[in-house]
Amino acid sequence: DAKTTQPPSMDCAEGRAANLPCNHSTISGNEYVYWYRQIHSQGPQYIIHGLKNNETNEMASLIITEDRKSSTLILPHATLRDTAVYYCIVSYGNNRLAFGKGNQVVVIP
Amino acid sequence: DAGVIQSPRHEVTEMGQEVTLRCKPISGHDYLFWYRQTMMRGLELLIYFNNNVPIDDSGMPEDRFSAKMPNASFSTLKIQPSEPRDSAVYFCASSYSRGKNYEQYFGPGTRLTVT
Repeated sequence: DAKTTQPPSMDCAEGRAANLPCNHSTISGNEYVYWYRQIHSQGPQYIIHGLKNNETNEMASLIITEDRKSSTLILPHATLRDTAVYYCIVSYGNNRLAFGKGNQVVVIP
Repeated sequence: DAGVIQSPRHEVTEMGQEVTLRCKPISGHDYLFWYRQTMMRGLELLIYFNNNVPIDDSGMPEDRFSAKMPNASFSTLKIQPSEPRDSAVYFCASSYSRGKNYEQYFGPGTRLTVT
């Protein structure tokens, strides 16, 4: 599976959109981009995934560049409960997810 | 559904003792995963099952670790004998291969401390 690069940490303002970047320059054509998050002391939680097109669900939006070498997870209105470690994962399928170190996102009041 | 259930939530044991962690996946899910999380190594996949059959156990650290899934609603991860370096949070997750998102649903984890 391709590797991903995320900033180790970032702060976001409560109520504002949070844009979480991820680089995956070695992604293959049939690899998906998955996003999970882990709130302190809890198990990881699925957020969204995509292949080529932008995706949106009730939690977030996923914007994938046309060359698929990077993506951005957008939390439209960050709340304090969105403070978590966010993992960007590239994988052929959902069975071998390599979580990496993730991006520690702190939402500030 | 109650989600993925793991027991115990916390386990403290002495080096050399046998430890058994338990997991009940979400009903109807056909995949089950065991992960281990430590500060040093992050979240690692140990083994996963499909329809109760182990598919990939390449992440199991050594022969002291074993996992079974006797039926679709129960799995165990056993460590015998346990060592201090096994101290970690162990997560179980399940997923449904025909689901819309193929997302993995994680349990709350078992925090294992080996002294």
